[in-house]
Parts: sequence; structure tokens; C-alpha cells
Amino acid sequence: SAVISQKPSRDICQRGTSLTIQCQVDSQVTMMFWYRQQPGQSLTLIATANQGSEATYESGFVIDKFPISRPNLTFSTLTVSNMSPEDSSIYLCSVEEGGNQPQHFGDGTRLSIL
Amino acid sequence: GENVEQHPSTLSVQEGDSAVIKCTYSDSASNYFPWYKQELGKRPQLIIDIRSNVGEKKDQRIAVTLNKTAKHFSLHITETQPEDSAVYFCAARSPGTYKYIFGTGTRLKVLA
Repeated sequence: SAVISQKPSRDICQRGTSLTIQCQVDSQVTMMFWYRQQPGQSLTLIATANQGSEATYESGFVIDKFPISRPNLTFSTLTVSNMSPEDSSIYLCSVEEGGNQPQHFGDGTRLSIL
Repeated sequence: GENVEQHPSTLSVQEGDSAVIKCTYSDSASNYFPWYKQELGKRPQLIIDIRSNVGEKKDQRIAVTLNKTAKHFSLHITETQPEDSAVYFCAARSPGTYKYIFGTGTRLKVLA
């Protein structure tokens, strides 16, 4: 399966600031997704990153708060904007290589907001 | 939309015993059901999956069964080992969408 590199692996940020998380894949993939995993909780889909067009957001998530880019088939970014302590979570990138293949996850970014 | 329930939330078994985790889904059209294992501080890793045209799939000590009529699927781990200790998540995907809906997770503890 594709090798997924996500960075940073962790960060501690001040409230009101923004952080951009990068997800790089070593091969072209059909689909890229961003999830949030709050402490001790399950995985919640934030959005589907669409190559060359606006991301598709899930209910409860908006572009102003979580802008996403996907300039090509191997790279995507998620920005967490105007952060508050409630945004402290693990943010995970996942990819689907296409051809009815399963999703695979990156190592995640552990974000703490003070 | 799809909803996935997972039980139990925690499970403790003695090493060598079997463990069973159950999930139910709401959308009868869902056709793909993966299972992920997440160790502490690590990423979720796919351990087994099953498609709706199959009733059972096995991979060494791990098996998944699917009952489409009842809309539930289960993960079975036999001869459990301490390294099986982790959080396990089931998921379901409806046709025509790439989205997974995840269950709430089961924390499995294998006691040596």
C-alpha cells in the first residue's frame, strides 16, 4: 500500500493561531480524506479533499475553520484556523488508492492548544 | 445516513481465549466493512475487511462474519495474545460514496 507521510507529528499552539498539516503520499491516489480523532474517541470525517476543486465537508465542519487544499494526486493540506482548546485532537490523513481499495491512514498530527 | 454501533466498548480476555466484537449498521445498501486496529499513539491499521457478497473471511487468527439480513458484522480473534491489546474500530461504507462511517471503538485488553 501507499506510504503516507504526515507532518508535523505533533504541535503545541497558542489559541487564536492557525496550523497547517501536510499529507504526502508516495504514489498517486484517487481519494484523500481528513479525519479528527478527539481523545479516547472514534474517527470523524472532516472532509474529502478533491484534487483541483473545493473539498467536500461533512456536517459540522466548515471551510473557514478547516481550509483544505489538494493541488495534485499525492499531496493535501489541512489548516486548523483560529484555534481554541476544543480543537485539541489528533488529525489524520487517509488515502484510498482507487480500484475499490481500502483506506489507509497516516500517523496523524497530535495537536494541543493552550 | 449510515450509522454504525459497536459493542462492547471495553473487553478483557485471558491470553489464549477468544474475543468477539460486534457492529451493527443501519443502511442495508452498505457493501464494504473494514476493521482497524489502533495501538496507543499509533495510526489505525487495517487488519481485515469483508464485502457484502461474502459471509465470512478469515486471516490466520482473525475472522470477520457478515449477516446482511440482520445488518451486523463481527470480528473474531482466536488464541489472543498480549500484542492484540489495542482499540478496534469497525466501519461501513455505502455504495456510491467513498465515506466510511466508524463505530465507537472497542478497547481490547488481553491479560497475560
